[in-house]
Amino acid sequence: KAGVTQTPRYLIKTRGQQVTLSCSPISGHRSVSWYQQTPGQGLQFLFEYFSETQRNKGNFPGRFSGRQFSNSRSEMNVSTLELGDSALYLCASSPGGNTIYFGEGSWLTVV
Amino acid sequence: GESVGLHLPTLSVQEGDNSIINCAYSNSASDYFIWYKQESGKGPQFIIDIRSNMDKRQGQRVTVLLNKTVKHLSLQIAATQPGDSAVYFCAESRRVDADGLTFGKGTHLIIQP
Repeated sequence: KAGVTQTPRYLIKTRGQQVTLSCSPISGHRSVSWYQQTPGQGLQFLFEYFSETQRNKGNFPGRFSGRQFSNSRSEMNVSTLELGDSALYLCASSPGGNTIYFGEGSWLTVV
Repeated sequence: GESVGLHLPTLSVQEGDNSIINCAYSNSASDYFIWYKQESGKGPQFIIDIRSNMDKRQGQRVTVLLNKTVKHLSLQIAATQPGDSAVYFCAESRRVDADGLTFGKGTHLIIQP
């Protein structure tokens, strides 16, 4: 069974731009969550989607948003990028319980 | 200004020895705990989990111990191998809230030949 797939793997954006990251969950998994990983803050929960509905949200500003499609794929968007948004963005999927399985992440650099 | 990165605890062990990685959690309401392994340039990989109604669980070469009294979790890796070199994270959650996993800061395990 294929794992969680994230695209793109690496990208560079300029301050003020926006970015969209994509995630394909493990087949059959309906829950998708997103995490941000930085050297300064570690792994932090962004939000979680289940059946196209956002179930939970972490403590991030409104510039961070996401959505989930009917096929369980998910996207997250960051608008008005700041230098501090440079991070590894990890998507994880779950069949519905608490155990989540991560993808390899999307490395975002904001310059 | 200068950015301060996380100071990850480092554990250095000889190949073949057993490793014990510790984690303290803060939320007494947490009832589910997971250990993840993250190798350089990769996403975290699930290792083993434990629910709060248990105090020990074993997997292949790994054992997780949970002490709810002192809110402490440990991961024991038997006969460590070079491939065990990675950063190990503990994570906790409250199933009732399902509010996402809260991750610890991580421990960098280094295997010496």
